[in-house]
Amino acid sequence: ETGVTQTPRHLVMGMTNKKSLKCEQHLGHNAMYWYKQSAKKPLELMFVYNFKEQTENNSVPSRFSPECPNSSHLFLHLHTLQPEDSALYLCASSSRGQSLNSPLHFGNGTRLTVT
Amino acid sequence: SQQGEEDPQALSIQEGENATMNCSYKTSINNLQWYRQNSGRGLVHLILIRSNEREKHSGRLRVTLDTSKKSSSLLITASRAADTASYFCATPFLPGGYQKVTFGTGTKLQVIP
Repeated sequence: ETGVTQTPRHLVMGMTNKKSLKCEQHLGHNAMYWYKQSAKKPLELMFVYNFKEQTENNSVPSRFSPECPNSSHLFLHLHTLQPEDSALYLCASSSRGQSLNSPLHFGNGTRLTVT
Repeated sequence: SQQGEEDPQALSIQEGENATMNCSYKTSINNLQWYRQNSGRGLVHLILIRSNEREKHSGRLRVTLDTSKKSSSLLITASRAADTASYFCATPFLPGGYQKVTFGTGTKLQVIP
């Protein structure tokens, strides 16, 4: 149990589908992050939320739409994805988003396959 | 880009041996962090070393930091099969007042029983 729970663990979707990834943290943290991990590439930071407000959008295509209804929950809504979007999507949280000394706590990710 | 780069990309050792992984980064840092990722799982934070520290220990882990060379190393002593994982260094920074943490591609460590 990492304290950060991601669902589903695996997702297969067609390019015309709409699906959502869910992340929940039970650590009382105020910052949450979405990362994309593709084979042989560095982790790509996608979005950052602090106190439910989006503070970073790292030039992510609009087919990825994040939502943070409260400090404990983070969603990533997906629509009309491309096969190259297949990857492991990782959610993370940190206790204080304004601090450099708050390590990230990761969930176990959602393995997404776009067919 | 702030991200660190790990070296080597892959490392295979026998159980009981020591494993050393290196990280280089590009700009000045406040601290550097090391994470481990088991196959198909999320990353787990291992250790944080601040820019004014040169060495830090945690159990079988020893981390060094050389800010003049913009490099860090992670040493795992007396390795075990359970240490098989990918290891990443990370450099947090604060653009606009909120933390961003960037990672490299990692070192894939295999410990052979």
